[in-house]
Amino acid sequence: DQQVKQNSPSLSVQEGRISILNCDYTNSMFDYFLWYKKYPAEGPTFLISISSIKDKNEDGRFTVFLNKSAKHLSLHIVPSQPGDSAVYFCAASEGAGGTSYGKLTFGQGTILTVHP
Amino acid sequence: DSGVTQTPKHLITATGQRVTLRCSPRSGDLSVYWYQQSLDQGLQFLIQYYNGEERAKGNILERFSAQQFPDLHSELNLSSLELGDSALYFCASSVVPSVSSYNEQFFGPGTRLTVL
Repeated sequence: DQQVKQNSPSLSVQEGRISILNCDYTNSMFDYFLWYKKYPAEGPTFLISISSIKDKNEDGRFTVFLNKSAKHLSLHIVPSQPGDSAVYFCAASEGAGGTSYGKLTFGQGTILTVHP
Repeated sequence: DSGVTQTPKHLITATGQRVTLRCSPRSGDLSVYWYQQSLDQGLQFLIQYYNGEERAKGNILERFSAQQFPDLHSELNLSSLELGDSALYFCASSVVPSVSSYNEQFFGPGTRLTVL
């Protein structure tokens, strides 16, 4: 039972353009969402997050949008750079703060390739 | 470098065997998480410890066990290994067992287990 889904296994984008990575979830108890980036032979690194009380969070070139009614979130990268080429994982948690004990449910990941 | 270390980097063993994966959290982090990433799967949460005590459990098989020692390092023990246990095993750490933008989970580089 895949509670967090990233339906696009890969995405290819030209340098300077916008990259949009999508994520859908089914568990209505999720209330905190995160994006992680992973390079080969390394562990995932935290990128950006959003609480369910917000619909947008921005950090430099990265913006995460949350549509609770559609149970959908997306990560926008503008402008995309070749160094952004990596696997991006969407993750979700029930009960931000102390109640979830930090348990994260991850999607399968999307491989982003940014061409120069 | 996330500050989380995992040993060994690679492990090749046979079915039916038992192995131990080791994780040292970042200095100051009291919480340790174990995740499994199989082929075509996102990261699956296995188990979480805080200051030596088990705090949350995911879909961890009965053949798997873990513990966190007084010096806060953690070990994941996998026994009666099967071909399907071949995967990347990640350890992550955070200061406290919760999910928030100010309590990031830092991931180690992972241990690649191959069961032949």
